[in-house]
Amino acid sequence: GAVVSQHPSRVICKSGTSVKIECRSLDFQATTMFWYRQFPKQSLMLMATSNEGSKATYEQGVEKDKFLINHASLTLSTLTVTSAHPEDSSFYICSAISSVGTDTQYFGPGTRLTVL
Amino acid sequence: QKEVEQNSGPLSVPEGAIASLNCTYSDRGSQSFFWYRQYSGKSPELIMSIYSNGDKEDGRFTAQLNKASQYVSLLIRDSQPSDSATYLCAVNGGSSNTGKLIFGQGTTLQVKP
Repeated sequence: GAVVSQHPSRVICKSGTSVKIECRSLDFQATTMFWYRQFPKQSLMLMATSNEGSKATYEQGVEKDKFLINHASLTLSTLTVTSAHPEDSSFYICSAISSVGTDTQYFGPGTRLTVL
Repeated sequence: QKEVEQNSGPLSVPEGAIASLNCTYSDRGSQSFFWYRQYSGKSPELIMSIYSNGDKEDGRFTAQLNKASQYVSLLIRDSQPSDSATYLCAVNGGSSNTGKLIFGQGTTLQVKP
């Protein structure tokens, strides 16, 4: 149980385009999902907290107009990187907390974004 | 002072030995503690959660929590080369319980055959 999927697993795009990443909880409902970014050999960096049916809460320094988050249902959150640039190239990982039970965060497999 | 601190390592142990990973945290009100393992290029995977003082065992892994000392550790018995990874300590709750995890910088473990 507690499986989180992400799609796509890898994406390469041209500078200036937008990229959407999906995060799904497959076998549980998640009222809260989180989006992280990780650069090579660095720690996870929390970007935003996504709550179903409400606006995401962004961490300091994260541009909300650049990283659009939508948590439309209890099993799906999306992150859209708008007008992507090479410096946005990174490993994007989502996690989810079940609406019942413990506060354990289960991580998706991640999406590797490369912006040319 | 960092909120969650780990020795970045690398910690090198021979195959079959016990690996001991340590973590301290600053928020005395923290309630939930987690250990994740992250292989290079992959996302973190949960090893264990612990909420109460004392030991919690799951197979070759034992988590230890001491809230008075603000200390949590992970022991890996009979270490295997496949255990070589970065181990992340994460703390939740505390004075601002938003569900967010505060991660340590991770300890790199190398298990040598």
